[in-house]
Amino acid sequence: ILNVEQSPQSLHVQEGDSTNFTCSFPSSNFYALHWYRWETAKSPEALFVMTLNGDEKKKGRISATLNTKEGYSYLYIKGSQPEDSATYLCAFGTGGTSYGKLTFGQGTILTVHP
Amino acid sequence: DGGITQSPKYLFRKEGQNVTLSCEQNLNHDAMYWYRQDPGQGLRLIYYSQIVNDFQKGDIAEGYSVSREKKESFPLTVTSAQKNPTAFYLCASSIALTSYEQYFGPGTRLTVT
Repeated sequence: ILNVEQSPQSLHVQEGDSTNFTCSFPSSNFYALHWYRWETAKSPEALFVMTLNGDEKKKGRISATLNTKEGYSYLYIKGSQPEDSATYLCAFGTGGTSYGKLTFGQGTILTVHP
Repeated sequence: DGGITQSPKYLFRKEGQNVTLSCEQNLNHDAMYWYRQDPGQGLRLIYYSQIVNDFQKGDIAEGYSVSREKKESFPLTVTSAQKNPTAFYLCASSIALTSYEQYFGPGTRLTVT
């Protein structure tokens, strides 16, 4: 089983703060890196899927970067709002015999205080 | 509305009984997945299917079985061989494997006593 680590495990910020979290994954046999947001009592929702080294994605106040050679991705939230409170999951997809499987990290729990 | 449905939301079973969790999608996606979540752990892949009549074991397939007879349906059976079946189960689908975002259902919480 592949190792995907997310840090920090939890984060409390004030409304308006900018924040970022890290996802670390194996640097070999990379295929894709996914980010999901999981709000309480809802289903996980896709934020980004990145497949190329150096990829940068942006959706509103949320953006993500990818470094496949060193095996990490950053998720940034600019000007956090209470509605950004959720668990943020990353998931690593590899090729070869494990093609098709996504390995998820444990998630970063973000709480934004008004 | 397109989406994924899972039923039931809560399920209670006695130890030793098999139980089947339903997952249906109307997104016309080829790939479907089953995940399990336990407290303090990430989502772990149980089984996945790339196309109809094909499925592969994930990382924790022991004690589970699936079928994929129709494109829109991917039921999961939790057998009595699963040693610790109490968990939250999530079904997902995507256009194809790995490089495409997954769409998740609302989940089923299974409690076995």
